[in-house]
Amino acid sequence: AQSVTQLDSQVPVFEEAPVELRCNYSSSVSVYLFWYVQYPNQGLQLLLKYLSGSTLVKGINGFEAEFNKSQTSFHLRKPSVHISDTAEYFCAASMNSGGSNYKLTFGKGTLLTVNP
Amino acid sequence: NAGVMQNPRHLVRRRGQEARLRCSPMKGHSHVYWYRQLPEEGLKFMVYLQKENIIDESGMPKERFSAEFPKEGPSILRIQQVVRGDSAAYFCASSPTRPNTGELFFGEGSRLTVL
Repeated sequence: AQSVTQLDSQVPVFEEAPVELRCNYSSSVSVYLFWYVQYPNQGLQLLLKYLSGSTLVKGINGFEAEFNKSQTSFHLRKPSVHISDTAEYFCAASMNSGGSNYKLTFGKGTLLTVNP
Repeated sequence: NAGVMQNPRHLVRRRGQEARLRCSPMKGHSHVYWYRQLPEEGLKFMVYLQKENIIDESGMPKERFSAEFPKEGPSILRIQQVVRGDSAAYFCASSPTRPNTGELFFGEGSRLTVL
């Protein structure tokens, strides 16, 4: 069974500061990895995804994430955040085998609050 | 530019009533998935449907919950005799084919409150 752990439930930062949201996964098989953002009372929007290839993945809104197989991590980063980045961020994984990769496993989410 | 459409966005029910949540997938998508988000939890898979077929319902509670995706019309998640523990956000997602990589397109969710 796979699991996804987001180590921080809340991350407060000041505007224009850098931010890192941490995500670790556990799986007996290789995985595809995703970061989703959920703005208040809205649905999930895909920020970025790692499928294969380069371990540094760039997404929308200036976010990027690095896949680290040895540390089983997929941390999300942004060098300078804006007030509008305030939202809940979810890390998710799907198995790269067995045909059931529609079953995303989500972390519990990290609430990023950007203060002026 | 229609994405995955869900309605109602908010639904309030009293214990014992029925809740029906609807999902219209993106244009060209014939695969639909329902996920549930309990308070302060991540989303959890419930069911995967194609037109007129349930492919995988391994995440559905054994009782009171059912899902369908008829040949015509939206997919419907039905919860009979709701209880307070059913209060959650229910998200629908779709994909054009069975996803090879797990990439799904999510709707805005239906938030069910059971009084």
